[in-house]
Amino acid sequence: GDSVTQMEGPVTLSEEAFLTINCTYTATGYPSLFWYVQYPGEGLQLLLKATKADDKGSNKGFEATYRKETTSFHLEKGSVQVSDSAVYFCALRSDNDMRFGAGTRLTVKP
Amino acid sequence: SAVISQKPSRDICQRGTSLTIQCQVDSQVTMMFWYRQQPGQSLTLIATANQGSEATYESGFVIDKFPISRPNLTFSTLTVSNMSPEDSSIYLCSGRQGSEQYFGPGTRLTVT
Repeated sequence: GDSVTQMEGPVTLSEEAFLTINCTYTATGYPSLFWYVQYPGEGLQLLLKATKADDKGSNKGFEATYRKETTSFHLEKGSVQVSDSAVYFCALRSDNDMRFGAGTRLTVKP
Repeated sequence: SAVISQKPSRDICQRGTSLTIQCQVDSQVTMMFWYRQQPGQSLTLIATANQGSEATYESGFVIDKFPISRPNLTFSTLTVSNMSPEDSSIYLCSGRQGSEQYFGPGTRLTVT
């Protein structure tokens, strides 16, 4: 079945460092891809999405590009802030099913 | 967009008892889901809540343990029945609207 594999972390960075969280997927069809963020004590919030190959999703300085040739959707941010500390989930949806990666905990230190 | 609220936000329950979690969406959604998130883990889909009919359960989850209701397009409940410590988890309600899927803040359940 469809699945998502994501870098598990935890990841600890200094403020203004460059962030990459790797995500690869396995799917038989043409899924939509998502990144969700979960701040401490809160539910999941949609961070960005891409619905077809070569689409780039972006929001709040975060970006991810849907790469069909490498079946990847890596999350990047050029300069992280302390407020970006959270757990990040990569997800895919094909048909009606949404599958989540294991989550990556990011801690940004001042 | 849709805003999803859940009640209660957290509870501590004794084993053998049951807890019903309520999920309210501020606008109509086509599909509603219930997920479980165990400590430090990812989300596992429990079931899809169907309006006016029985929920569709994922492998490993059964109606007797997790009865679900969805009387209309904006409301659903999940009951965790005959609880054991293994049911300690965060339970998340989710709703789909168009291509977007939204999540509630979760209900943190501790079973002692």
